[in-house]
Amino acid sequence: EAGVTQFPSHSVIEKGQTVTLRCDPISGHDNLYWYRRVMGKEIKFLLHFVKESKQDESGMPNNRFLAERTGGTYSTLKVQPAELEDSGVYFCASSQDGRGVYEKLFFGSGTQLSVL
Amino acid sequence: GNSVTQMEGPVTLSEEAFLTINCTYTATGYPSLFWYVQYPGEGLQLLLKATKADDKGSNKGFEATYRKETTSFHLEKGSVQVSDSAVYFCALTRYSSASKIIFGSGTRLSIRP
Repeated sequence: EAGVTQFPSHSVIEKGQTVTLRCDPISGHDNLYWYRRVMGKEIKFLLHFVKESKQDESGMPNNRFLAERTGGTYSTLKVQPAELEDSGVYFCASSQDGRGVYEKLFFGSGTQLSVL
Repeated sequence: GNSVTQMEGPVTLSEEAFLTINCTYTATGYPSLFWYVQYPGEGLQLLLKATKADDKGSNKGFEATYRKETTSFHLEKGSVQVSDSAVYFCALTRYSSASKIIFGSGTRLSIRP
């Protein structure tokens, strides 16, 4: 069974440019989460999809970030325009159940974003 | 608010050394506590968990005990191996949704042969 896959693994862009990160969850997982770790600090929740609907987007930092999950399969996270403080590692995770089963929460290896 | 504080790294040890990575938390009520690990090139994975006071989580030789009196959940292993080199994250949640997990800042562990 394929795990959670994220593309690209690394991205280096200049301030003001646009970057789109992609996450392919495990097949059949309705729940998809985005997190990020900025400047080597704590990992913070960004948002949660249930199928194609945004269940919780309380962690999205500002309107430069746009997440989509068309068709309830893969998800994209677009940063436009990127700022220096957006640099960090962006993690995606998926689960079949939305509640209480942390053993069944699967993370991707992350996208390292560097904004210069 | 809820938060997790863990010791800063990097931590470098020799193989077969004893490991402790400290973690303390601030939370109202009775959170569940976790340790996640990220091996090089891989995603985070749950290492162990404890859901109530005095519970001991264990996995792969690692242990952590939920100490409510000291609000701590320190990670320990009696004899580390090179393959334990990774980044370790302490985390908590008071809710059953993965959107409410509070992570610490991570501790990078490197084990010398």
